[in-house]
Amino acid sequence: AQTVTQSQPEMSVQEAETVTLSCTYDTSESNYYLFWYKQPPSRQMILVIRQEAYKQQNATENRFSVNFQKAAKSFSLKISDSQLGDTAMYFCAFMKFYPSNTGNQFYFGTGTSLTVIP
Amino acid sequence: NAGVTQTPKFRILKIGQSMTLQCTQDMNHNYMYWYRQDPGMGLKLIYYSVGAGITDKGEVPNGYNVSRSTTEDFPLRLELAAPSQTSVYFCAGREQLQETQYFGPGTRLLVL
Repeated sequence: AQTVTQSQPEMSVQEAETVTLSCTYDTSESNYYLFWYKQPPSRQMILVIRQEAYKQQNATENRFSVNFQKAAKSFSLKISDSQLGDTAMYFCAFMKFYPSNTGNQFYFGTGTSLTVIP
Repeated sequence: NAGVTQTPKFRILKIGQSMTLQCTQDMNHNYMYWYRQDPGMGLKLIYYSVGAGITDKGEVPNGYNVSRSTTEDFPLRLELAAPSQTSVYFCAGREQLQETQYFGPGTRLLVL
């Protein structure tokens, strides 16, 4: 079974500063995907960024970037220039890669609650 | 496109009652999923479907049933509601050759 661990239940950061959220996972698979989802108080799950395990280059999306360390099974999220709207719960998720028609379910961590302080 | 929609947004049930949580998507997703999110926890997969007429159990299927008669709809049925089913339920969809799941807004269910 796959497991995803987020060891930081809560974090805070000053507005405009940089913060890094940690995620580790356990798998015997060689091909997989990793994701960070954001869940604001509205409870909507919003995709922040995703990374393919076969790609060595770290994914970036504007102020969001990841540090993907495949050998260490680590997938941290860095948020630069933090904004008040970044206040949310952040979930790390793992998905195995299979050919079609196998469902490919997500495995989620327990989340990190991030508060951006004005 | 409306994306993935869920109804109702919130519901209170008495123990033993039944209800259906509705999920509809207009993004032509082959794959659809039902998750539950308990307080302070991540999402756990209840059931999923890889296409119309095909469903399978996830990690926590007990107490639930699903059907997939059309590509667009994936309802989740609770037959005998129990307090342990108090949770927030999310439906999600995904295209066959894409890895990203798109989530609905969630349904908050309280069983008393």
